[in-house]
Amino acid sequence: AQSVSQHNHHVILSEAASLELGCNYSYGGTVNLFWYVQYPGQHLQLLLKYFSGDPLVKGIKGFEAEFIKSKFSFNLRKPSVQWSDTAEYFCAVSTSGTYKYIFGTGTRLKVLA
Amino acid sequence: DADVTQTPRNRITKTGKRIMLECSQTKGHDRMYWYRQDPGLGLRLIYYSFDVKDINKGEISDGYSVSRQAQAKFSLSLESAIPNQTALYFCATSSGLAGGLADTQYFGPGTRLTVL
Repeated sequence: AQSVSQHNHHVILSEAASLELGCNYSYGGTVNLFWYVQYPGQHLQLLLKYFSGDPLVKGIKGFEAEFIKSKFSFNLRKPSVQWSDTAEYFCAVSTSGTYKYIFGTGTRLKVLA
Repeated sequence: DADVTQTPRNRITKTGKRIMLECSQTKGHDRMYWYRQDPGLGLRLIYYSFDVKDINKGEISDGYSVSRQAQAKFSLSLESAIPNQTALYFCATSSGLAGGLADTQYFGPGTRLTVL
């Protein structure tokens, strides 16, 4: 069965620190990959997505993610976090043939001012 | 922007009661989804619908039912609520235009349900 793993459940960083959140999936076919963010008290919203082309994807608010097919990974990065990046981050995968989305368990990021 | 709305936003109920959660969207999307979010478990798909006549079970449909009353409305029912259905419930929509697989999902604000 397809699955998505986010290994970091809680991350605490100081402002200006660099961020990398891991995401690995298990599926051998064509995938599309997403990162969603849920700010406190708000809806989930799309940060970025990969469906084809350049494996380095840039999203909103300075976030980027790199699809490494050989490692089944889609890690999220930001060179310098801000207090306003405090949120929960979800990786998600949609796979060919299912048209469904599998979400990871989420990573809670807290950025200290 | 309230493109996807959910009612109620909070609900406390008792074991055995029937509960309906409603979702409406003004995005004109054909595809709608219901998820539940539990701490440490992320979002799990309950049901999804690709159009009014197409409804499918997700990974955790037991104890739930849905109704797609119109393109814009997708309701989730708990026929006989139990405490382990206490969770945050999200409705989402997608257009299906990007070949389905690459669709962005648009989420509602969530309904916090507590079953005592």
